[in-house]
Amino acid sequence: DAGVIQSPRHEVTEMGQEVTLRCKPISGHDYLFWYRQTMMRGLELLIYFNNNVPIDDSGMPEDRFSAKMPNASFSTLKIQPSEPRDSAVYFCASTPSGSGSKNIQYFGAGTRLSVL
Amino acid sequence: DQQVKQNSPSLSVQEGRISILNCDYTNSMFDYFLWYKKYPAEGPTFLISISSIKDKNEDGRFTVFLNKSAKHLSLHIVPSQPGDSAVYFCAASAKETSGSRLTFGEGTQLTVNP
Repeated sequence: DAGVIQSPRHEVTEMGQEVTLRCKPISGHDYLFWYRQTMMRGLELLIYFNNNVPIDDSGMPEDRFSAKMPNASFSTLKIQPSEPRDSAVYFCASTPSGSGSKNIQYFGAGTRLSVL
Repeated sequence: DQQVKQNSPSLSVQEGRISILNCDYTNSMFDYFLWYKKYPAEGPTFLISISSIKDKNEDGRFTVFLNKSAKHLSLHIVPSQPGDSAVYFCAASAKETSGSRLTFGEGTQLTVNP
């Protein structure tokens, strides 16, 4: 299995621009999580989906952030407009559900976002 | 409100010796605990976990200990190897089964010197 795939790996943009981060979960995993890692706040959960439906978006910092999961194999995290304080590494993770499945989340390699 | 805390930002040990990484939590609803390892430019990878009904879980060189009364867990690596040098994150969940959010600690940078 290819694992969780995120793109792009690096994104450099200017303040005010729209940024879209992409994630392909592991096939068959029906939970998908978006995390952000910063020096100040560590690794924090932004939002997670189950069967393409958002379950908990309480970690989304503000209205500039939005996430969608149009199908089981694709999710996006969009920031519009972007600000320098959004600079961080954004991770996507997935996990399967079902009898016996433990809450072990599998992470992608992350997208390093720099907003100038 | 940091519900999971790793108070040591860094730890340095000699190859072959034991590495002990510590983690404390405050939320008594946490029922399942995990350790992740992270290399630079990679995502965190799952290492080992423990359910609250146990006090120890072992997997090769890695052992996790849980002290529920103290709300404390630790990861022991023995013997430590240079390839173990990475950032280690402690995480906690309200459920052992999938579908519950993970709350992470800040991470501890482990350096194993040859």
